[in-house]
Amino acid sequence: LAKTTQPISMDSYEGQEVNITCSHNNIATNDYITWYQQFPSQGPRFIIQGYKTKVTNEVASLFIPADRKSSTLSLPRVSLSDTAVYYCLVGGGSSGSARQLTFGSGTQLTVLP
Amino acid sequence: GAVVSQHPSWVICKSGTSVKIECRSLDFQATTMFWYRQFPKQSLMLMATSNEGSKATYEQGVEKDKFLINHASLTLSTLTVTSAHPEDSSFYICSARDRLYDRDYGYTFGSGTRLTVV
Repeated sequence: LAKTTQPISMDSYEGQEVNITCSHNNIATNDYITWYQQFPSQGPRFIIQGYKTKVTNEVASLFIPADRKSSTLSLPRVSLSDTAVYYCLVGGGSSGSARQLTFGSGTQLTVLP
Repeated sequence: GAVVSQHPSWVICKSGTSVKIECRSLDFQATTMFWYRQFPKQSLMLMATSNEGSKATYEQGVEKDKFLINHASLTLSTLTVTSAHPEDSSFYICSARDRLYDRDYGYTFGSGTRLTVV
């Protein structure tokens, strides 16, 4: 299972763009990269998933370089409600039986007023 | 989108008693479900993989006789904490993936169950 490394914590101010980078040097060929958000006492919530290049949805963008050994979650114009722990995971990708997801330490993002 | 319902959301029990936590996939079928445990200020730790119609697979260090898992249907998995002790107090979370998706939009997680053993 690919291990991920993220910063333990980050602070930002409301309205700023936040970029959280995750390293996953031993990502496998068929692994996808998925980011989850978790608020206290809640289950993780899916944010975005990608395989390569750039993916964008209504809440975030995900940038993946060609070697796929890292990825960057970009949150545009964060608000106080974006304060949460963000997890980067690799694996659980296409086809076949569901594979377990291994959570790293996550990044505690704190948005300040 | 896919929804996983977890019940109860919180429970308080006395030491020595057993507690059952349910995890249901509401609008999809899940051949496999996963159970995690999360202590305060820590990440999620995988406890076991629950497979419909077969025995669960437990992670190293997780006592299978203490954490009983049953996955009797494609939409329901249960975790029973037997003879609970205060050190079992934690946040338990399940997750599942729609078996029909070749590449899905991620695993869906339940809302979690806060277990407090007194």
